[in-house]
Amino acid sequence: EVQLVESGGGLVQPGRSLRLSCAASGFIFDDYALHWVRQAPGKGLEWVSGVSWDSGRIGYADSVKGRFTISRDNAKNSLYLHMNSLRPEDTALYYCTRDRGSGRYYFEFFHHWGQGTLVTVSS
Amino acid sequence: EIVLTQSPGTLSLSPGERATLSCRASQSVRSSYLAWFQQKPGQAPRLLIFGASTRATGIPDRFSGSGSGTDFTLTISRLEPEDFALYYCQQYGSSPPLTFGGGTKVEIK
Repeated sequence: EVQLVESGGGLVQPGRSLRLSCAASGFIFDDYALHWVRQAPGKGLEWVSGVSWDSGRIGYADSVKGRFTISRDNAKNSLYLHMNSLRPEDTALYYCTRDRGSGRYYFEFFHHWGQGTLVTVSS
Repeated sequence: EIVLTQSPGTLSLSPGERATLSCRASQSVRSSYLAWFQQKPGQAPRLLIFGASTRATGIPDRFSGSGSGTDFTLTISRLEPEDFALYYCQQYGSSPPLTFGGGTKVEIK
């Protein structure tokens, strides 16, 4: 069974940093691309960032480009999101998701989802 | 960036009725690379359909997807009580960003 377990969320002041982690199990980790998708309270879904199986393809939403960095450690079956210069509008539930494919040529859809970790940016 | 517009925003129907949800793209979606997700309160989204019309594993056949180019449809043939939820479409296969529609809420009339 595919499992994705996020951690690292919490309350943080504007301008500060936070690192989210996602521990994966139940599949061959380095066969798949991975993503972060967020959902602000009462709002819709927004893709944040994605990384291919070998980190050779990485993409970001314009809203986070230059502030967030996605990375993965295939030896530890883990995905990360380093978030700098946080803003109140970054407040959301952040989901770790697994792609259907490797991301070698393009990203696909979100086949499996974790339960999310809540990030609240407020003074 | 491909913008997806879902309509209607809210669909009020009774159990047993047919639900038709629309997702329209601002430009043609390559190779019908469109997915649909269901989200219930307090839960993560769940994949229903990919490739515009292929049901994901374990999804009942009352859910069907159709369309190509810029116009896509999710149909629920006969609504069950557990189908009342939020539904999102998502396009993929093009350069990032991957984008979602704004969602359609299917509520009990």
